Amino acid sequence: EVQLVQSGAEVKKPGESLKISCKGSGYSFTSYWIGWVRQMPGKGLEWMGIIYPGDSDTRYSPSFQGQVTISADKSISTAYLQWSSLKASDTAMYYCVRLGYYPPGDAFDIWGQGTMVTVSS
Amino acid sequence: EIVLTQSPATLSLSPGERATLSCRASQSVSSYLAWYQQKPGQAPRLLIYDASNRATGIPARFSGSGSGTDFTLTISSLEPEDFAVYYCQQRSNWPPAYTFGQGTKLEIK
Repeated sequence: EVQLVQSGAEVKKPGESLKISCKGSGYSFTSYWIGWVRQMPGKGLEWMGIIYPGDSDTRYSPSFQGQVTISADKSISTAYLQWSSLKASDTAMYYCVRLGYYPPGDAFDIWGQGTMVTVSS
Repeated sequence: EIVLTQSPATLSLSPGERATLSCRASQSVSSYLAWYQQKPGQAPRLLIYDASNRATGIPARFSGSGSGTDFTLTISSLEPEDFAVYYCQQRSNWPPAYTFGQGTKLEIK
């Protein structure tokens, strides 16, 4: 079964750092882009960025550039999303997604279960 | 930056009725448009890709149409499990970017 399994919920204080993970299985992890999507409480979906685990080529949404770091370790089929200094406004559900190929386009065809990040003093 | 506008924000219908959801792009996205369904407490799931192609396992009552700037998701006869929030999403080639619409909530009337 093709799946993405994310790390568990986190509760952090403002200013703390955090790294959440997303492990892929059931497919060639290095052959598909992996993205991250934010959903703030009661709000819609926002694309944050995307990485190609095969060579770590990474692209960011302008809204998130400089705010987070996306990385991947292909040896363990895992992608990461990290913050160096969390803010209360980072409180949200974060989904990792696989970008499937559907020529001529593509789409987020596999979604992780989500990681809830709560930042509160 | 391409903006996707979905309408209506909320759609109230009864099981068995036909649902028509709209997604309009601020500039042409060709056919690079997908639709997702999100139920409360769940991750979204892919319904439609490339504007009109059903993803694996998606029932035939779901259909997508459109190209350029105007797109439609149609649910031919609503089942109780179809009441959810629906998002459209587009891809820009350069710089690479993926944008979601703000969502349409389909609720039981």
